[in-house]
Amino acid sequence: EAQVTQNPRYLITVTGKKLTVTCSQNMNHEYMSWYRQDPGLGLRQIYYSMNVEVTDKGDVPEGYKVSRKEKRNFPLILESPSPNQTSLYFCASSLSGGWFDEQYFGPGTRLTVT
Amino acid sequence: AQTVTQSQPEMSVQEAETVTLSCTYDTSESDYYLFWYKQPPSRQMILVIRQEAYKQQNATENRFSVNFQKAAKSFSLKISDSQLGDAAMYFCASASGGGADGLTFGKGTHLIIQP
Repeated sequence: EAQVTQNPRYLITVTGKKLTVTCSQNMNHEYMSWYRQDPGLGLRQIYYSMNVEVTDKGDVPEGYKVSRKEKRNFPLILESPSPNQTSLYFCASSLSGGWFDEQYFGPGTRLTVT
Repeated sequence: AQTVTQSQPEMSVQEAETVTLSCTYDTSESDYYLFWYKQPPSRQMILVIRQEAYKQQNATENRFSVNFQKAAKSFSLKISDSQLGDAAMYFCASASGGGADGLTFGKGTHLIIQP
């Protein structure tokens, strides 16, 4: 089954404790990205990757890191999480990143930073 | 930069009736795609319908159709014969240019279906 998976689905952590949210897709997509969803703000892009070893900032990259060492994986790293990073996070992938491509979303990760 | 505006935070409709969700956008690009995504309580983002700006014919997917008014930069979603399973957050989104910037989303409209 073609899908984007994220782990964990739920995470509660404390300020400053480094964490990684994994994202993996099995569709051989070149393009992957991360979004965060906050009430009343919709989804906003954090980082994206056009291919292996190619990443770039989205609209809200502060406090996040990403890496793309393999085509299928695109982890989101919070080196020192803060309460304002409490949010719902989505990973997405598409075939080439073209604006005409359908983006496939993962199930979401609910992160709470206390 | 693109912007997408959904002016209706919440809408309510009786089951089996028709409802229209509004969306306006702004872009300087000549070609772009517009999307409606559904987010049910499961939080999964589900693509409902998409429209390429160069296509004049409005897209239709079963009970879902759009009214695309390019000059007015308007992209509304019409849901016919509303069903209880249509209850969800609906997000309007746009993508343009090289696409690398991903999707620009509106703030969403919460659709309630009254039985």
